[in-house]
Amino acid sequence: DQQVKQNSPSLSVQEGRISILNCDYTNSMFDYFLWYKKYPAEGPTFLISISSIKDKNEDGRFTVFLNKSAKHLSLHIVPSQPGDSAVYFCACLSGTYKYIFGTGTRLKVLA
Amino acid sequence: DAGVIQSPRHEVTEMGQEVTLRCKPISGHNSLFWYRQTMMRGLELLIYFNNNVPIDDSGMPEDRFSAKMPNASFSTLKIQPSEPRDSAVYFCASSGGGLRNGKLFFGSGTQLSVL
Repeated sequence: DQQVKQNSPSLSVQEGRISILNCDYTNSMFDYFLWYKKYPAEGPTFLISISSIKDKNEDGRFTVFLNKSAKHLSLHIVPSQPGDSAVYFCACLSGTYKYIFGTGTRLKVLA
Repeated sequence: DAGVIQSPRHEVTEMGQEVTLRCKPISGHNSLFWYRQTMMRGLELLIYFNNNVPIDDSGMPEDRFSAKMPNASFSTLKIQPSEPRDSAVYFCASSGGGLRNGKLFFGSGTQLSVL
């Protein structure tokens, strides 16, 4: 039973436009959320996070939005660049150490 | 800092053989995780060590899987006997100084193929 779902396996966006990646979760006890980015043949790297006490966190071109009532998380990338092409995983923290990851969304930014 | 180092990068073996994956965490990190990545289930936590002690192994799929951390700089994940359904990418990750900052540092992974 997947507690964290990324329903879009892939997404293509034109360079310069906005990329929106979505993530849904089922466990209302999750209170810390993250996005990781993964290039081929590399491990995931931390991108941005948000605590459940906030609804938005911004870091440069990357913004994470949290809608607790809908149990929904999204990552906005503006403007998108070809170097952003990667697989993006959302992760939710359960307890003090257990990060539960989604299945990932492959983003392709077209030049 | 060399980051988290995993070996081998690729492993191809036959069903029934023993497979050992290795991980060297970042020096000073006291938390170590083994994850498995598959298309269907994404990244699944297999086992979590804190200060070399296994804290949570509830994600280890079967008794065929075992993990050890004999010291702060080395961990192994062993599959014996291996089966084709074990084919996946296995990641090791380490963290230090609190897990709520999201700073899990992953190795490059081991691509395991069991024929």
